[in-house]
Amino acid sequence: QSALTQPPSASGSPGQTVTISCTGTSSDIGRYNRVSWYQQHPGKAPKLVLYEVATRPSGIPDRFSGSKSGNTASLTVSGLQTEDEADYHCSSYADNKWVFGGGTKLTVL
Amino acid sequence: DVQVAESGGGLVQPGGSLRLSCAASGFTFRNYWMHWVRQVPGKGLVWVSRINGAGTYTNHADSVKGRFTISRDNAKNTLYLQMNSLRVEDTAVYYCARDSDHYCTDVWGQGTTVTVFS
Repeated sequence: QSALTQPPSASGSPGQTVTISCTGTSSDIGRYNRVSWYQQHPGKAPKLVLYEVATRPSGIPDRFSGSKSGNTASLTVSGLQTEDEADYHCSSYADNKWVFGGGTKLTVL
Repeated sequence: DVQVAESGGGLVQPGGSLRLSCAASGFTFRNYWMHWVRQVPGKGLVWVSRINGAGTYTNHADSVKGRFTISRDNAKNTLYLQMNSLRVEDTAVYYCARDSDHYCTDVWGQGTTVTVFS
């Protein structure tokens, strides 16, 4: 059982907007603005798409955005493209350790 | 290119040991904290260990504390994970990842598979 809770699946059609939630506790997401999101295609290594809740690394399109409210963080992917189909993992710093969610499989219909 | 590449995975029986290696290139290795993260195929990521750039500070997840040891050789640009007293539940793909200085990791290897079987 993962420390952070994500829905196992999400889906949308090309061009649509999808939001994936990530729920933690007051010891991790609720305490720190140190939430990050990773995209992982099958058989590939994870790739950082957001850090510090809503900051995009260089090269990540602005279709990817993030937010946080209380103990829940969210990743929003707008203008869905076929290449966005992947697993998405959230993570939070939590008192000298890192915790992850169980991952959400995003399907682009 | 900035990259890291893991090696050393394999098959081992419960109670056995393995040492994973991670070769870094394309960046000044000694300037970066480094992490190990593992993943059971089809499941979520799990943080395992981290080490500072000088190799003088480490910490580990509770699930591996006392059994796994992270270390590094900055002269060889290589990160290690010594895994002792292995358990079936340690079976996973192990990733080496570079810390970004923003409480996340920005460079990941392709992973090396560890299988503990009885």
